[in-house]
Order: sequence, then C-alpha cells, then structure tokens
Amino acid sequence: RKEVEQDPGPFNVPEGATVAFNCTYSNSASQSFFWYRQDCRKEPKLLMSVYSSGNEDGRFTAQLNRASQYISLLIRDSKLSDSATYLCVVNSPTGGFKTIFGAGTRLFVKA
Amino acid sequence: GAVVSQHPSRVICKSGTSVKIECRSLDFQATTMFWYRQFPKQSLMLMATSNEGSKATYEQGVEKDKFLINHASLTLSTLTVTSAHPEDSSFYICSALESGTSSDEQFFGPGTRLTVL
Repeated sequence: RKEVEQDPGPFNVPEGATVAFNCTYSNSASQSFFWYRQDCRKEPKLLMSVYSSGNEDGRFTAQLNRASQYISLLIRDSKLSDSATYLCVVNSPTGGFKTIFGAGTRLFVKA
Repeated sequence: GAVVSQHPSRVICKSGTSVKIECRSLDFQATTMFWYRQFPKQSLMLMATSNEGSKATYEQGVEKDKFLINHASLTLSTLTVTSAHPEDSSFYICSALESGTSSDEQFFGPGTRLTVL
C-alpha cells in the first residue's frame, strides 16, 4: 500500500462545477498535511495547509479526518485556471522528517 | 514570501558527463533542503535530505556516489549528477525549510530539467 494515495483522475468538469478530491495516508503518526498545485512542467506550489479544524480559502476548502486518515480538497465554482494536478502532501516523523507526495489528481476544467 | 532559485533551469548533456545543479534560498536561511526527482506523469520522489554542514541523508535506492550533495552554507545546496546516463533524464526539484521557525512548509525551486543524450 502506498503511503499516500490519490485518485489520479483525470477529473473533467465544466466551469462553475464543484469538485472534490480525496487523499488517504497510511502513517497514523503523520503530523502535517498540505495540498499543492502543480502545473505542467512546473514546480509544485502550495495551495493550502490542512488543519484538523478544516480551513477555507476562497473557493477552496480543505479538511482532515485523522480517525480515517484522509484529507480532502473541495473546489467550488471551478475556473479554467484551476486546471492542474493537485498533490496531496503528508509530513511524517518516520526516520526523521519526511515528506511524502501523492501521485496527484489531474483536473481539467472546460468552458 | 520565501523564494528558492535553481540553476540551471534546463540542461542537455552527453552521456558520461557530470552535471551540477544549484539550489539557493534567496531571502531566508535554510538548514535543511530537499532534492526531488520527477519523471513524466509521476509524482515527486524524494531523493535525499540535505543538511547544512553535514552529510546528506539519501532515500533507499538512491546512489549517494552518483548523486553528490553538498550543503556548504545556509543558503546553498548543490546536487551533482555524476556520469549521467539517459535514464537520469528527469525534472529535478529542490525545496527548502526556513531555519528558526516551527513551520514545516517547504518552499520549492522552479526545477531543473535534465536531458542526457
């Protein structure tokens, strides 16, 4: 089982749609969680951190469920510019500080 | 915000040559930097953790003698791909943790695309 698992997609949605991504992690001792966005042939850019209480930033909402060991990202009112790969990232204390990236979920928003 | 640069952004070299990639934190100090590799349509894979003033910690399966890491200052880490071969062609990305903070957010460089002919 992979340490961080995501549905690779692709998700094809029309503009204005709401889309949700889930991510599961295997290490219950994981400490911090992030969603990154990566555009084609570019470096990842932090989208948002994920807190136990959940957090929202404009059209984006992230939630963490420690009991079930999953993280979610909700995008409302999708824009064409949201088309990208979304990476779930988990920091674990295993063997010292270790960052594990999910394989990413590809999103295509179409007009 | 914290900025990380990488140089070069793109390099094409012949098989057997060595390539050095620099990763710099421009407006902050970074005791710890990370080197990742990403093959097409795959996720980032951590290669090694670079610690200022000490030896790098390599992930399983990454040859330390092939991928030499030097973190000589708080703002610079270098990755040297020695005797590069076509299978080393990849997108290499570094990231840095800001020293002196409790944050574990990593700041990424723009990446270096290596093509070995």
